[in-house]
Amino acid sequence: DAGITQSPRHKVTETGTPVTLRCHQTENHRYMYWYRQDPGHGLRLIHYSYGVKDTDKGEVSDGYSVSRSKTEDFLLTLESATSSQTSVYFCAISSQLSNQPQHFGDGTRLSIL
Amino acid sequence: DQQVKQNSPSLSVQEGRISILNCDYTNSMFDYFLWYKKYPAEGPTFLISISSIKDKNEDGRFTVFLNKSAKHLSLHIVPSQPGDSAVYFCAANRAYNAGGTSYGKLTFGQGTILTVHP
Repeated sequence: DAGITQSPRHKVTETGTPVTLRCHQTENHRYMYWYRQDPGHGLRLIHYSYGVKDTDKGEVSDGYSVSRSKTEDFLLTLESATSSQTSVYFCAISSQLSNQPQHFGDGTRLSIL
Repeated sequence: DQQVKQNSPSLSVQEGRISILNCDYTNSMFDYFLWYKKYPAEGPTFLISISSIKDKNEDGRFTVFLNKSAKHLSLHIVPSQPGDSAVYFCAANRAYNAGGTSYGKLTFGQGTILTVHP
């Protein structure tokens, strides 16, 4: 299994509070991704990174920001959490941008009350 | 705009029989397709993939078929086992965007819950 660790695994917080999720990899892969999974939607890309300090938006990026200061860490921040951001968040990594599978962490279940 | 669709939310199969999971896509620029399996409380696990230059790829009990003219792919599992019970996602990747730079983002279907009965 790819060495991907997401933390925390579960979090409950209140509307309006900031939240940061962490993805840590030990594979030295260049590309990292954040997805959210919601019923009826599959997985949707929030943000991705193609190198240290190089990030770009995905299809559902509103309300989220990311940072990547080291190859191994990719952080997802909800500046002011809303109930619509209650979801399961998955981090993924890949060694190439195309024609290679992405490998996923085990997810963070985030509940915003 | 759902570019990748799995129209069957669930599928129930008897152990030993074939499971066929289907996926349709609309974007003709997709050129790499993948299937993932997901168990509860775990992340998706890569299962099998196929490039658009092929129409079939086989790995043990799993075979993926791609019909580009119909924009359709399917995953066949033969024989099905109770341990195959999971949610299956198809995903599509576009290698290059219109500007010629590599794109590489995965677009997922909604998932199909497969249940294999003993």
